Amino acid sequence: KQEVTQIPAALSVPEGENLVLNCSFTDSAIYNLQWFRQDPGKGLTSLLLIQSSQREQTSGRLNASLDKSSGRSTLYIAASQPGDSATYLCAVLYGNNRLAFGKGNQVVVIP
Amino acid sequence: DAGVIQSPRHEVTEMGQEVTLRCKPISGHNSLFWYRQTMMRGLELLIYFNNNVPIDDSGMPEDRFSAKMPNASFSTLKIQPSEPRDSAVYFCASSLKGSGANVLTFGAGSRLTVL
Repeated sequence: KQEVTQIPAALSVPEGENLVLNCSFTDSAIYNLQWFRQDPGKGLTSLLLIQSSQREQTSGRLNASLDKSSGRSTLYIAASQPGDSATYLCAVLYGNNRLAFGKGNQVVVIP
Repeated sequence: DAGVIQSPRHEVTEMGQEVTLRCKPISGHNSLFWYRQTMMRGLELLIYFNNNVPIDDSGMPEDRFSAKMPNASFSTLKIQPSEPRDSAVYFCASSLKGSGANVLTFGAGSRLTVL
């Protein structure tokens, strides 16, 4: 069974600092990895998707890396803003179209 | 497209009552997923359908839970009878399997409280 872990569970950073969020997974046989954002009381919004053959994806201030062999992904958010405050979830696609989620990194950016 | 539509957004019911949650996936998507989210367990996959056919229901907690997808534009998740431990946010998501990207689009969720 695929286990996805996100550490730390919660963190606070001052506005302007770079954010680094970590995700690890136990089974390296994945098809892709996605990072999602969830605002309180809302659904999940897909931020970045990295195919298993790729090492990173970038979108604006967001950059996600993937090291499949070590079972790790990192989401970098440059120059954080208060609007980046949310919970960020990592999910890996494996097996027969199954998506396993971590429990998320709850981020607060302090103005 | 209006995205994945879920109803109701909030439901408060008493233990023993039947609960029906509804989902309309994005038009053209061929895979539909039901997830449950709690603080303790995070997001758990309950069941997913491909082309309206249930492919994996191993995440359905017990026989009190059932899901149907009578056509490509509608799915239901039913709990009968409901129990307090079923209280959670239930999400529906859809994707286009085989597109290579498999990007999931989530609905806003249905928050269920069973008293």
